[in-house]
Amino acid sequence: DGGITQSPKYLFRKEGQNVTLSCEQNLNHDAMYWYRQDPGQGLRLIYYSQIVNDFQKGDIAEGYSVSREKKESFPLTVTSAQKNPTAFYLCASSFRGDNEQFFGPGTRLTVL
Amino acid sequence: AQKVTQAQTEISVVEKEDVTLDCVYETRDTTYYLFWYKQPPSGELVFLIRRNSFDEQNEISGRYSWNFQKSTSSFNFTITASQVVDSAVYFCALSDPNDYKLSFGAGTTVTVRA
Repeated sequence: DGGITQSPKYLFRKEGQNVTLSCEQNLNHDAMYWYRQDPGQGLRLIYYSQIVNDFQKGDIAEGYSVSREKKESFPLTVTSAQKNPTAFYLCASSFRGDNEQFFGPGTRLTVL
Repeated sequence: AQKVTQAQTEISVVEKEDVTLDCVYETRDTTYYLFWYKQPPSGELVFLIRRNSFDEQNEISGRYSWNFQKSTSSFNFTITASQVVDSAVYFCALSDPNDYKLSFGAGTTVTVRA
């Protein structure tokens, strides 16, 4: 089945450690996105990529990094520079030039 | 700058009641898209509808209906005869026509009680 997978669903890390969240899609979408969701808030864009080997910062990129070496994959690294990393992270994808985004199931990151 | 406001934080209804979710947006663009997404307890966002700024016709899909009014910059969503399975967080979003980014509202949590 076509779709977006994010793993793991729950992730625990100690403060000061970097952690990488996985996002894979087999929808043949060109564009991929990372959002952060905090309780009582909408989704905020962290990074997005319209094509392979290219990505742009979103509204809250500080403390995060991404790579886009393959069309299917867009991993997000939460670095120790991120002040408050505990949140729900959602990955999305779309065809380039299309604003309808499809979302993955999300990863809930808890930093202890 | 684009902004989406969902003033209702939480709505609780009894099954079979109708529920209307408000969405007000701000944009300087003349061309834009509006969306509604549903987020059930599992966490994944489910696409419900997309409407472009030139199409002000109301839309009905089963028990769901949407009222788009450009004059008041609103794109409201109504669930008719609500069911327990409708319990979720609902997000309204606005698309940037230049690079297709989505700006989300804070979401409205709908709880439907049996």
